[in-house]
Amino acid sequence: GAVVSQHPSRVICKSGTSVKIECRSLDFQATTMFWYRQFPKQSLMLMATSNEGSKATYEQGVEKDKFLINHASLTLSTLTVTSAHPEDSSFYICSARRQGNQPQHFGDGTRLSIL
Amino acid sequence: DAKTTQPPSMDCAEGRAANLPCNHSTISGNEYVYWYRQIHSQGPQYIIHGLKNNETNEMASLIITEDRKSSTLILPHATLRDTAVYYCIVRVEGAQKLVFGQGTRLTINP
Repeated sequence: GAVVSQHPSRVICKSGTSVKIECRSLDFQATTMFWYRQFPKQSLMLMATSNEGSKATYEQGVEKDKFLINHASLTLSTLTVTSAHPEDSSFYICSARRQGNQPQHFGDGTRLSIL
Repeated sequence: DAKTTQPPSMDCAEGRAANLPCNHSTISGNEYVYWYRQIHSQGPQYIIHGLKNNETNEMASLIITEDRKSSTLILPHATLRDTAVYYCIVRVEGAQKLVFGQGTRLTINP
């Protein structure tokens, strides 16, 4: 069964709206979670690494004030797309990894459409 | 992390074995080979990973060459539900990031 849950699965909203996406690890504690973005017919691009209890680490070119990440507990990370515009429309996917050399597990993604 | 090279697309008949190649000629001694797949409009699904020995689980087998410069993912009896984009990724043990390439789009035909 799923080990990482992502919510909501789909969001459609007007330009200028802020949208929050949740990522939960269901049966393990994740000190680190990851947020990816995927545009149509492209591969996944890592946006940021979410660290429990500390600031997220953003990849080059990703605006930290635009994509707010909060990792307040060992099982929950949230990504907020602030003042979203049509160019932010994309498929957002989170992942989490168990301790040690365990593989990352991914959520089912959130399809964000900004009108 | 080492770069990987995969064919952009492959076709396979249903019921046959699907063999997906991956080149990682610059792999370091402490880098693992991971395979994920992504079915349309879903998040990636972990398949298998290995260091230098061949690995097998309920989903697939992973064959790594002796020099570790290439590997093959084998789906022994492909079904239509195996149609997906398959990603081969190399990563140092314990490293945080997974860097996705373009993967191989595998189509299983009836």
